[in-house]
Amino acid sequence: GNSVTQMEGPVTLSEEAFLTINCTYTATGYPSLFWYVQYPGEGLQLLLKATKADDKGSNKGFEATYRKETTSFHLEKGSVQVSDSAVYFCALSYNTNAGKSTFGDGTTLTVKP
Amino acid sequence: GAVVSQHPSWVICKSGTSVKIECRSLDFQATTMFWYRQFPKQSLMLMATSNEGSKATYEQGVEKDKFLINHASLTLSTLTVTSAHPEDSSFYICSALKGGQGTYEQYFGPGTRLTVT
Repeated sequence: GNSVTQMEGPVTLSEEAFLTINCTYTATGYPSLFWYVQYPGEGLQLLLKATKADDKGSNKGFEATYRKETTSFHLEKGSVQVSDSAVYFCALSYNTNAGKSTFGDGTTLTVKP
Repeated sequence: GAVVSQHPSWVICKSGTSVKIECRSLDFQATTMFWYRQFPKQSLMLMATSNEGSKATYEQGVEKDKFLINHASLTLSTLTVTSAHPEDSSFYICSALKGGQGTYEQYFGPGTRLTVT
Protein backbone atom coordinates (compact mmCIF):
# COMPACT_ATOMS: atom_id res chain seq x y z
CA GLY A 1 0.00 0.00 0.00
CA ASN A 2 0.89 3.66 -0.08
CA SER A 3 2.77 5.30 2.75
CA VAL A 4 4.41 8.59 3.63
CA THR A 5 7.33 8.88 6.03
CA GLN A 6 8.27 12.21 7.53
CA MET A 7 11.25 13.32 9.50
CA GLU A 8 10.52 12.93 13.18
CA GLY A 9 10.08 16.03 15.21
CA PRO A 10 9.87 18.17 17.01
CA VAL A 11 12.12 20.59 15.19
CA THR A 12 13.21 23.74 16.98
CA LEU A 13 14.95 26.54 15.09
CA SER A 14 15.94 30.10 15.67
CA GLU A 15 14.36 32.80 13.56
CA GLU A 16 15.99 33.20 10.13
CA ALA A 17 17.44 29.68 10.22
CA PHE A 18 17.21 27.32 7.24
CA LEU A 19 14.50 24.69 7.40
CA THR A 20 14.38 21.23 5.90
CA ILE A 21 11.69 18.69 6.73
CA ASN A 22 12.28 15.39 4.98
CA CYS A 23 9.48 13.43 3.38
CA THR A 24 9.71 10.17 1.46
CA TYR A 25 6.92 8.11 0.05
CA THR A 26 6.10 4.61 -1.12
CA ALA A 27 3.56 4.39 -3.89
CA THR A 28 2.92 2.91 -7.27
CA GLY A 29 2.56 5.00 -10.35
CA TYR A 30 2.53 8.78 -10.21
CA PRO A 31 0.83 10.28 -7.20
CA SER A 32 0.48 13.99 -6.54
CA LEU A 33 2.43 15.19 -3.51
CA PHE A 34 1.40 17.81 -0.99
CA TRP A 35 2.55 19.71 2.05
CA TYR A 36 -0.11 20.89 4.47
CA VAL A 37 0.31 23.13 7.50
CA GLN A 38 -1.76 23.01 10.67
CA TYR A 39 -1.70 25.84 13.17
CA PRO A 40 -2.73 25.12 16.78
CA GLY A 41 -6.41 24.30 17.12
CA GLU A 42 -7.10 24.61 13.41
CA GLY A 43 -7.64 22.38 10.41
CA LEU A 44 -5.13 21.81 7.65
CA GLN A 45 -4.22 24.31 4.99
CA LEU A 46 -2.60 23.40 1.71
CA LEU A 47 0.89 24.90 1.65
CA LEU A 48 2.13 23.65 -1.71
CA LYS A 49 1.84 20.77 -4.12
CA ALA A 50 3.47 19.07 -7.08
CA THR A 51 1.71 16.80 -9.51
CA LYS A 52 4.52 15.25 -11.51
CA ALA A 53 8.17 14.38 -11.33
CA ASP A 54 10.62 17.31 -11.16
CA ASP A 55 7.80 19.78 -10.44
CA LYS A 56 8.61 22.31 -7.76
CA GLY A 57 5.82 23.54 -5.53
CA SER A 58 6.33 26.85 -3.76
CA ASN A 59 4.37 29.17 -1.51
CA LYS A 60 5.17 31.75 1.19
CA GLY A 61 8.90 31.10 0.87
CA PHE A 62 8.50 27.34 1.23
CA GLU A 63 9.37 25.01 -1.60
CA ALA A 64 9.57 21.29 -2.33
CA THR A 65 10.60 19.37 -5.42
CA TYR A 66 9.01 16.11 -6.53
CA ARG A 67 11.92 13.67 -6.87
CA LYS A 68 10.75 10.40 -8.33
CA GLU A 69 14.22 8.85 -8.39
CA THR A 70 14.52 9.21 -4.60
CA THR A 71 10.74 9.13 -3.93
CA SER A 72 11.10 12.29 -1.90
CA PHE A 73 9.37 15.64 -1.46
CA HIS A 74 11.44 17.50 1.12
CA LEU A 75 10.13 20.83 2.41
CA GLU A 76 12.58 23.75 2.59
CA LYS A 77 12.56 27.37 3.58
CA GLY A 78 15.55 29.64 3.55
CA SER A 79 14.67 31.81 6.53
CA VAL A 80 11.98 30.79 8.98
CA GLN A 81 9.89 33.15 11.07
CA VAL A 82 8.20 32.71 14.43
CA SER A 83 4.88 32.68 12.60
CA ASP A 84 5.95 29.51 10.76
CA SER A 85 5.61 27.54 14.00
CA ALA A 86 3.07 24.83 13.22
CA VAL A 87 2.70 21.17 12.36
CA TYR A 88 3.59 20.22 8.80
CA PHE A 89 2.13 17.20 7.04
CA CYS A 90 3.38 15.57 3.87
CA ALA A 91 0.74 13.70 1.87
CA LEU A 92 0.10 11.95 -1.40
CA SER A 93 -3.00 11.27 -3.43
CA TYR A 94 -4.07 9.94 -6.77
CA ASN A 95 -6.55 11.82 -8.90
CA THR A 96 -7.83 8.49 -10.10
CA ASN A 97 -8.80 7.68 -6.51
CA ALA A 98 -10.95 10.78 -6.21
CA GLY A 99 -8.50 12.62 -4.02
CA LYS A 100 -8.22 10.12 -1.20
CA SER A 101 -5.00 11.02 0.60
CA THR A 102 -2.34 9.30 2.63
CA PHE A 103 -0.69 11.50 5.27
CA GLY A 104 2.61 11.35 7.06
CA ASP A 105 2.70 11.60 10.83
CA GLY A 106 3.39 15.32 10.87
CA THR A 107 6.43 17.29 12.02
CA THR A 108 6.10 19.96 14.66
CA LEU A 109 8.17 23.06 13.99
CA THR A 110 8.86 25.65 16.66
CA VAL A 111 10.68 28.80 15.70
CA LYS A 112 12.15 30.85 18.54
CA PRO A 113 12.83 34.58 18.27
CA GLY B 1 -11.47 30.69 -3.07
CA ALA B 2 -12.62 27.47 -1.53
CA VAL B 3 -13.85 27.57 2.04
CA VAL B 4 -15.01 24.69 4.18
CA SER B 5 -16.68 25.30 7.51
CA GLN B 6 -17.44 23.01 10.41
CA HIS B 7 -19.98 23.40 13.14
CA PRO B 8 -19.65 23.34 16.03
CA SER B 9 -16.01 24.20 16.53
CA TRP B 10 -16.07 22.50 19.90
CA VAL B 11 -18.62 20.48 21.83
CA ILE B 12 -18.80 18.83 25.21
CA CYS B 13 -21.33 16.06 25.70
CA LYS B 14 -22.18 13.45 28.27
CA SER B 15 -21.42 9.80 27.80
CA GLY B 16 -24.23 7.98 26.05
CA THR B 17 -25.54 10.95 24.11
CA SER B 18 -25.19 11.60 20.37
CA VAL B 19 -23.45 14.51 18.73
CA LYS B 20 -23.81 15.81 15.18
CA ILE B 21 -21.01 17.65 13.41
CA GLU B 22 -21.67 19.55 10.19
CA CYS B 23 -19.24 20.11 7.34
CA ARG B 24 -20.14 22.65 4.67
CA SER B 25 -18.44 23.73 1.47
CA LEU B 26 -19.35 27.42 1.37
CA ASP B 27 -18.45 28.48 -2.14
CA PHE B 28 -18.26 25.30 -4.17
CA GLN B 29 -20.11 22.04 -4.59
CA ALA B 30 -18.51 18.87 -3.36
CA THR B 31 -19.73 15.45 -4.34
CA THR B 32 -17.06 13.95 -2.10
CA MET B 33 -16.11 14.87 1.43
CA PHE B 34 -13.82 13.09 3.86
CA TRP B 35 -13.98 12.73 7.61
CA TYR B 36 -10.79 12.42 9.62
CA ARG B 37 -9.99 11.92 13.24
CA GLN B 38 -6.87 13.35 14.81
CA PHE B 39 -5.48 12.40 18.19
CA PRO B 40 -3.18 14.78 20.05
CA LYS B 41 0.21 15.14 18.38
CA GLN B 42 -0.71 12.55 15.77
CA SER B 43 -1.57 12.44 12.13
CA LEU B 44 -4.97 12.39 10.54
CA MET B 45 -6.75 9.08 10.39
CA LEU B 46 -9.23 8.79 7.56
CA MET B 47 -12.52 7.53 8.92
CA ALA B 48 -14.75 7.56 5.89
CA THR B 49 -15.45 8.96 2.46
CA SER B 50 -18.78 10.73 2.18
CA ASN B 51 -20.43 10.70 -1.25
CA GLU B 52 -23.40 12.88 -2.06
CA GLY B 53 -26.52 10.85 -2.61
CA SER B 54 -25.01 7.52 -1.68
CA LYS B 55 -23.74 5.61 1.32
CA ALA B 56 -20.45 6.54 2.89
CA THR B 57 -17.44 4.31 2.51
CA TYR B 58 -15.82 3.53 5.83
CA GLU B 59 -12.19 2.66 6.44
CA GLN B 60 -11.30 -0.61 8.02
CA GLY B 61 -11.86 -0.60 11.76
CA VAL B 62 -14.30 2.30 11.80
CA GLU B 63 -17.74 1.38 13.13
CA LYS B 64 -20.31 2.62 10.65
CA ASP B 65 -23.15 2.27 13.14
CA LYS B 66 -21.33 4.44 15.63
CA PHE B 67 -20.17 7.13 13.21
CA LEU B 68 -23.14 7.90 11.01
CA ILE B 69 -22.42 9.94 7.91
CA ASN B 70 -25.03 11.67 5.78
CA HIS B 71 -24.17 13.64 2.65
CA ALA B 72 -27.59 14.93 1.71
CA SER B 73 -26.56 17.82 -0.51
CA LEU B 74 -23.62 18.98 -2.57
CA THR B 75 -22.56 21.39 0.16
CA LEU B 76 -23.26 19.54 3.39
CA SER B 77 -22.05 16.36 5.05
CA THR B 78 -22.79 15.46 8.64
CA LEU B 79 -21.05 13.10 11.04
CA THR B 80 -23.07 11.86 14.00
CA VAL B 81 -21.24 10.20 16.84
CA THR B 82 -23.85 7.95 18.42
CA SER B 83 -23.80 6.86 22.05
CA ALA B 84 -20.59 8.75 22.59
CA HIS B 85 -18.03 7.54 25.10
CA PRO B 86 -14.92 9.22 26.51
CA GLU B 87 -12.72 7.32 24.07
CA ASP B 88 -14.52 9.11 21.24
CA SER B 89 -13.07 12.40 22.46
CA SER B 90 -10.93 13.71 19.65
CA PHE B 91 -10.45 16.39 17.03
CA TYR B 92 -12.61 15.66 13.99
CA ILE B 93 -11.69 17.27 10.69
CA CYS B 94 -13.61 17.18 7.44
CA SER B 95 -12.43 18.02 3.96
CA ALA B 96 -14.21 18.61 0.69
CA LEU B 97 -12.97 17.83 -2.78
CA LYS B 98 -13.14 20.53 -5.38
CA GLY B 99 -12.60 19.82 -9.02
CA GLY B 100 -13.33 17.16 -11.55
CA GLN B 101 -12.14 15.62 -14.79
CA GLY B 102 -9.50 13.78 -12.79
CA THR B 103 -8.05 16.89 -11.16
CA TYR B 104 -8.99 17.43 -7.52
CA GLU B 105 -7.94 19.59 -4.65
CA GLN B 106 -8.84 18.90 -1.05
CA TYR B 107 -9.95 21.74 1.23
CA PHE B 108 -10.11 21.22 4.97
CA GLY B 109 -12.49 22.49 7.58
CA PRO B 110 -11.18 24.05 10.79
CA GLY B 111 -11.99 20.99 12.86
CA THR B 112 -14.35 20.16 15.72
CA ARG B 113 -13.05 19.37 19.18
CA LEU B 114 -15.30 16.75 20.82
CA THR B 115 -15.00 16.06 24.52
CA VAL B 116 -17.14 13.31 26.03
CA THR B 117 -17.46 13.40 29.80
